[in-house]
Amino acid sequence: AQSVTQPDIHITVSEGASLELRCNYSYGATPYLFWYVQSPGQGLQLLLKYFSGDTLVQGIKGFEAEFKRSQSSFNLRKPSVHWSDAAEYFCAVGPSGGSYIPTFGRGTSLIVHP
Amino acid sequence: SQTIHQWPATLVQPVGSPLSLECTVEGTSNPNLYWYRQAAGRGLQLLFYSVGIGQISSEVPQNLSASRPQDRQFILSSKKLLLSDSGFYLCAWSRQGASPLHFGNGTRLTVT
Repeated sequence: AQSVTQPDIHITVSEGASLELRCNYSYGATPYLFWYVQSPGQGLQLLLKYFSGDTLVQGIKGFEAEFKRSQSSFNLRKPSVHWSDAAEYFCAVGPSGGSYIPTFGRGTSLIVHP
Repeated sequence: SQTIHQWPATLVQPVGSPLSLECTVEGTSNPNLYWYRQAAGRGLQLLFYSVGIGQISSEVPQNLSASRPQDRQFILSSKKLLLSDSGFYLCAWSRQGASPLHFGNGTRLTVT
C-alpha cells in the first residue's frame, strides 16, 4: 500500500530565508508525486507534480521539488520565503494504475516570521 | 479551462437536520470526483469518490452519503447531522488515470 510521511507538523522560518519541507513516500512502483498548498479557509492548490523525467521539477510561486528515488523522498524547496507563503502544505502520491485514490500526507504548517 | 464550484461556502446546521452540499465541475467530461473532510488541525479524510455517474465508493462508514446524478455533479448528503459532522468539506475532481486533483474552495460546516 502506498503511504506518505511528512515528518514536520510545523515549520517556522523568517521571511527571506530558504525553505525545505520534507516528504517521504512508500510506493511499489514509480510514483506520481504532488505538492499542494492550502491557505486558511481555502481549498488545496496544486504547486507542482512529478510523473517522470527530470527529477527536479519547477512549480508555481517559485517552488521546486526534487524526486530522489534512493531516498524515497520528494522534498519541496523555495530559496526565499515570503510572508504570503504561510500556509499548510500537503505532499501526495498517486493515483496511478487502477487506483483512483491519491494518498495525502498529514500536512506541514508553515509559519513565516517577519 | 476547467472550473469547480462548491457551495455553500459556510453552513450552520442544528443537530438532527439534513444536509446537502453540492459540487459541479465545468470544462471537462467524465471526471473522477471526490469528497474529503478536514477536521480542525488534521489532514484530509477521503469520504467518497466516484468514477462515473451512479458509481460511488465509500471510504469511511458514517451517516453521510454521496450521489452523482449527472456526469459533473457530486452531492454530499445526510439525513440527520451529528455534532461530529462539523468540519471543512472539500470537493475535488481529476481526469481519469494519473492526474492531480483539483479542489473547490470548500464548505465550512458547523453543527450546533
